[in-house]
Amino acid sequence: GESVGLHLPTLSVQEGDNSIINCAYSNSASDYFIWYKQESGKGPQFIIDIRSNMDKRQGQRVTVLLNKTVKHLSLQIAATQPGDSAVYFCAENPLAGGTSYGKLTFGQGTILTVHP
Amino acid sequence: DGGITQSPKYLFRKEGQNVTLSCEQNLNHDAMYWYRQDPGQGLRLIYYSQIVNDFQKGDIAEGYSVSREKKESFPLTVTSAQKNPTAFYLCASGGAVGETQYFGPGTRLLVL
Repeated sequence: GESVGLHLPTLSVQEGDNSIINCAYSNSASDYFIWYKQESGKGPQFIIDIRSNMDKRQGQRVTVLLNKTVKHLSLQIAATQPGDSAVYFCAENPLAGGTSYGKLTFGQGTILTVHP
Repeated sequence: DGGITQSPKYLFRKEGQNVTLSCEQNLNHDAMYWYRQDPGQGLRLIYYSQIVNDFQKGDIAEGYSVSREKKESFPLTVTSAQKNPTAFYLCASGGAVGETQYFGPGTRLLVL
C-alpha cells in the first residue's frame, strides 16, 4: 500500500499474473476516488474512478474495489503486461463540502514493474 | 485532436528570474489545476480555477502566480520568491471541481 515518505512502495510481477495495488485514504468524507497511471516523464493518465455509493467497478482489465469501513481502495490489473509498468496513484475527493471541497488529494504512488 | 498541452517540455530558470509555464486545453472544461511533483512524492496542488477570471490558492501557492483570462488557458508563473522551483509541473483540467481531472504531459523546470 501507499505510505508517507520518499521511498515509494514497489510491486514486481511476472507478465500474465494479476496485480493488486492498494491505497489507504484518510478522509472519511471522501466521496469520489480515481486511479491514475504515470509512466516515466509523462503526465498521469486516468484509469478508472469510483464513487462512494459503489464498492466495485470494472473496466477493461482493471477493477477498483472500495472498502469504506476501513478506508481502503485497491486496483486490480488482470493479465499484467510489460506496458503496465508505471507508477500508480490513487486520488480522493470529498464532495461533501468543507475546506477541502473541490480538491483531489493524491497518494504518493506505487511502482509496478512487470517482468517478461 | 482534443486534449491538454503544456509547453515547454523543459524549462531552465536563472536565479532571480520569473518564468511562465503554459497550459492550454480544448476539452471545454471549466476547471483547471496546477500541481507540482517532486521525486518519489505525490502531486501537490499549487492553484486551481473553477471559472474564467477566478482562481484559488492550493496547498503550496507561495512563490507562484496564475491568471485565467480565457477558458482554454491557465498559465503558471514561477516567481523569484520560489526558492526551490526544481520540479515536474503538471496542469490538469476537469469538467467541474471535484470531478475527474485529466493531465497534460508536464513541464520539467530546472534551475541553472
